[in-house]
Amino acid sequence: DAGVIQSPRHEVTEMGQEVTLRCKPISGHDYLFWYRQTMMRGLELLIYFNNNVPIDDSGMPEDRFSAKMPNASFSTLKIQPSEPRDSAVYFCASSLTGAFQETQYFGPGTRLLVL
Amino acid sequence: AQSVAQPEDQVNVAEGNPLTVKCTYSVSGNPYLFWYVQYPNRGLQFLLKYITGDNLVKGSYGFEAEFNKSQTSFHLKKPSALVSDSALYFCAVRDRSYNTDKLIFGTGTRLQVFP
Repeated sequence: DAGVIQSPRHEVTEMGQEVTLRCKPISGHDYLFWYRQTMMRGLELLIYFNNNVPIDDSGMPEDRFSAKMPNASFSTLKIQPSEPRDSAVYFCASSLTGAFQETQYFGPGTRLLVL
Repeated sequence: AQSVAQPEDQVNVAEGNPLTVKCTYSVSGNPYLFWYVQYPNRGLQFLLKYITGDNLVKGSYGFEAEFNKSQTSFHLKKPSALVSDSALYFCAVRDRSYNTDKLIFGTGTRLQVFP
């Protein structure tokens, strides 16, 4: 298995632009997670899905952030409009079942820089 | 609130020496505890977890961790460090309080193994 796949790996954009991050979880995994990593705040859970349904989006910073999972093999995290404080590394992770007692498999991350 | 603390920002150890990376936690109920490792420009990789059972948990790459309930600790250990172990290590605890379910990650400890 190729593991969790994220694209793009790097994104540089200007303030106000829309940014879309993509994730393909490991096949057969029921859970998908989006995390954000910054020096100031560490690793934070933004949202997670179970069987394509959003379960907890309480970590999404504000309405500028949205996430979707239209099918079991694809998810997007969208920021519109983007701001410099959104600059971070965004990770997608998936787990087979059981959410937070199971091993999560992380993708390589998308490094976002908003100028 | 549930929390996890990694008191050391960095740990330095000579190759071949034993290493310890410290983690303490605060949760209500029985803790679910994890260690993940992050290599440069990569996503987090699972090392080991404690759910129940033996207090000494063995994981990947020769790492182990000891769950100590009285000291609320879950320190990561390895008998003989390798230069290739140099990375960022995260302790995490499952938080199931206040209608939420997620992993809370520590701030990370950078392990530097010198030849």
